[in-house]
Amino acid sequence: QSVLTQPPSVSGAPGQRVTISCSGSTSNIGAGYDVNWYQQIPGTAPKLLIYDNKNRPSGVPDRFSGSKSGTSASLAITGLQGEDEADYYCQSYDISLSVEVFGGGTKLTVL
Amino acid sequence: QVTLTESGPALVKPTQTLTLTCRFSGFSLRTSGMRMIWIRQPPGKALEWLARVDWDDAKFYSTSLETRLTISKDTSKNQVVLTMTNMHPADTGTYYCARTPNLSGFDYWGQGILVTVSS
Repeated sequence: QSVLTQPPSVSGAPGQRVTISCSGSTSNIGAGYDVNWYQQIPGTAPKLLIYDNKNRPSGVPDRFSGSKSGTSASLAITGLQGEDEADYYCQSYDISLSVEVFGGGTKLTVL
Repeated sequence: QVTLTESGPALVKPTQTLTLTCRFSGFSLRTSGMRMIWIRQPPGKALEWLARVDWDDAKFYSTSLETRLTISKDTSKNQVVLTMTNMHPADTGTYYCARTPNLSGFDYWGQGILVTVSS
């Protein structure tokens, strides 16, 4: 299983707010390492959505926001749109493994 | 602009060695802090980090696969190569290369290459 734990799926109606959690440990998120988030639309390469816990790359709507606390991080999406339907992955660094690690991914369904 | 393109065989037989090349443009792997990563994704499954090579030629590998992986860079050709030995059907999946400047997220990705391991 993945070093970072995410819920397998979340859903929400258009216009609603959803959050996706990413749970780690004192070897990664809790050790102070930053969390990054990726959006992957099926059949395409992942896209960087949030970097360094809360920063958005140019072009990413401000409907997407990230936060981190303790050994966990969260991605929030407000004003849900049909185009947000995708898989979302968190990623950080793990000091005990000395490598970058991903969460298991969360499938977002827009109802 | 930044582009990354993976190339290699679409089909390999079990026990064979896979060699994948990532050719990139729009940046230099000589730039301090620049790093290149290989990531794979089995069909319908999660992303898995495989290996990384840094601007200073430091190399890092997935602990579960490190005996089978070798990553190298050729800065003059703007390419990074990943080899994986003793391929198994469980290694079937899409293989991506990506870059990260200063480890602040993987900001550019290739389109991926689907590799199938089958006899």
